[in-house]
Amino acid sequence: DTAVSQTPKYLVTQMGNDKSIKCEQNLGHDTMYWYKQDSKKFLKIMFSYNNKELIINETVPNRFSPKSPDKAHLNLHINSLELGDSAVYFCASSQALGVGYGYTFGSGTRLTVV
Amino acid sequence: SQQGEEDPQALSIQEGENATMNCSYKTSINNLQWYRQNSGRGLVHLILIRSNEREKHSGRLRVTLDTSKKSSSLLITASRAADTASYFCATQGAQKLVFGQGTRLTINP
Repeated sequence: DTAVSQTPKYLVTQMGNDKSIKCEQNLGHDTMYWYKQDSKKFLKIMFSYNNKELIINETVPNRFSPKSPDKAHLNLHINSLELGDSAVYFCASSQALGVGYGYTFGSGTRLTVV
Repeated sequence: SQQGEEDPQALSIQEGENATMNCSYKTSINNLQWYRQNSGRGLVHLILIRSNEREKHSGRLRVTLDTSKKSSSLLITASRAADTASYFCATQGAQKLVFGQGTRLTINP
């Protein structure tokens, strides 16, 4: 039973399209995150939510809009996709907000914009 | 930036040998964490060491933390082929968990 599951695993789309990535966790964690991993393996946090409330919003283009319908789900919608959006997007969760908790990651969504 | 920097960027050793990876960071932290990422997979949490701790063990893993030098090391003893992966250190200050760029570890049979 997957702890943090993301769909889809692969996403190939054309520039200008709008796409969504879904994430669900069954760990009962309060806090969820989106990270972006570029081609050089650098992981950068994009957003974090705690109990459906936006906590961290890094300097991400406003074409990216997260939505958390409940604390077990955190989706990422991307408008007007650009070539530079190609990356692997990881969802993660932690037991609670704050320090001292390890993160559980999903297996990633590889987004390719052509 | 509190981003960790791993050293070396790549490491290749023979099965059975020990592997040591280092991480340096710039600002004060609450804790430092190590993660493993197998090719094409998500990150797996290995160990968390708090700023008031100096050493932690978990199975074949040993992590040290020197806050005066702002550095940490991950030692994997008696390496196995299955340890082949990228290893990331991540530092946490007030809130965010910030990752370094990782060390690519290859264990040769």
